[in-house]
Amino acid sequence: AQSVTQPDIHITVSEGASLELRCNYSYGATPYLFWYVQSPGQGLQLLLKYFSGDTLVQGIKGFEAEFKRSQSSFNLRKPSVHWSDAAEYFCAVVISGGYQKVTFGTGTKLQVIP
Amino acid sequence: GAVVSQHPSRVICKSGTSVKIECRSLDFQATTMFWYRQFPKQSLMLMATSNEGSKATYEQGVEKDKFLINHASLTLSTLTVTSAHPEDSSFYICSARPFGQPEETQYFGPGTRLLVL
Repeated sequence: AQSVTQPDIHITVSEGASLELRCNYSYGATPYLFWYVQSPGQGLQLLLKYFSGDTLVQGIKGFEAEFKRSQSSFNLRKPSVHWSDAAEYFCAVVISGGYQKVTFGTGTKLQVIP
Repeated sequence: GAVVSQHPSRVICKSGTSVKIECRSLDFQATTMFWYRQFPKQSLMLMATSNEGSKATYEQGVEKDKFLINHASLTLSTLTVTSAHPEDSSFYICSARPFGQPEETQYFGPGTRLLVL
């Protein structure tokens, strides 16, 4: 069965420090990959997505993610975290081929300390 | 563009009553809309997929008679939680796929927080 794993439930970083959130997927083929951010009590905002092409994708708010086929990973990075980045981050996949079901990871809650 | 709204943003109701949540695509037509449920500190779980003018497709374990979905137009889908109970309290999020866009494109609404007393 398809699955998305975010091994880190909770991460704390200092403001200004770099950030990397991990995401691994388990599928037979390369899926479409997404990262979403959810602020408390809010819906989801798309940060970035990967469909094909350049494996390093740039998103909004200074985030980027790199697709590594050999590792089945799509880790999210930011070189310098801001206090406003504190939120929950979800990795998600959609399998190509006519079915639009989005499978979400369990999320990583990011805390930013001064 | 590509804005999805939900109404209400939060609702409190008594046990046994029914609650209707609306999901609207404001600036595009959506042939397909999705309903998700998110329990506290957990991920989103797909409940059902609704296509305009046809019956919704429910995920395994989701009671279709309890969670009624109507997708009567290309810009509106509704989720009705019938005879709500406290265990139905959750955060409900919809998403919409614009007509003519790739299958992987979805835009999410801001969510509706339901509390059943």
